[in-house]
Amino acid sequence: EVQLVESGGGLVQPGGSLRLSCAASGFTVGGNYMSWVRQAPGKGLEWVSLIYSGGNTDYADSVKGRFTISRDISKNTLSLQMNSLRPEDTAVYYCARGYCSGGSCYLGLDIWGQGTMVTVSS
Amino acid sequence: DIQMTQSPSSLSASVGDRVTITCRASQSISIYLNWYQQKPGKAPNLLIYAASSLHSGVPSRFSGSGSGTDFTLTISSLQPEDFATYYCQQSYSIPWTFGQGTKVDIK
Repeated sequence: EVQLVESGGGLVQPGGSLRLSCAASGFTVGGNYMSWVRQAPGKGLEWVSLIYSGGNTDYADSVKGRFTISRDISKNTLSLQMNSLRPEDTAVYYCARGYCSGGSCYLGLDIWGQGTMVTVSS
Repeated sequence: DIQMTQSPSSLSASVGDRVTITCRASQSISIYLNWYQQKPGKAPNLLIYAASSLHSGVPSRFSGSGSGTDFTLTISSLQPEDFATYYCQQSYSIPWTFGQGTKVDIK
């Protein structure tokens, strides 16, 4: 079965760090582009970060320099290292697989994890 | 950054109604426009990619159209399981951006 399972969320104080993990099954993270998307309580979706199949990365301005996306091909996992956390980073974090069809990519996100909650508060 | 504006923000409809949601981009995004459905407490589901292509397993009552800056999601006959929030998203350029969402609830 193709699925993603996130872990690592929790309560952290402002300025602290947290590392989210996303375990993939049924496909390889190295063969796809992968993304993190977050959703603050009661709010809409916000794109956070992307890692391309070649390993390059991109970030939203709101997290650039604080968050790092990475992948472990041997473990088939995606990670998001979050440093210098702020209260406005409080959200459910989803990992998701990028969709490709007919040789074209960047066609949205077709497989999503269940999400993991990150709360930044003192 | 490309701004995505959905309208309406919410709507009330009855089972069997035809529902149309629009999404406007602040600049041309060709056909790099995707639609998602999200139910409370759940992850989003991809409905439509590349503006008008139906994702695998999505009922044919869902359809998408448009190109450039103006896009539409249509549900031809609303079903009970379609009451949810719908988001558009552009994948034309980084940073990817989402519309603010359209909540469809029961009239």
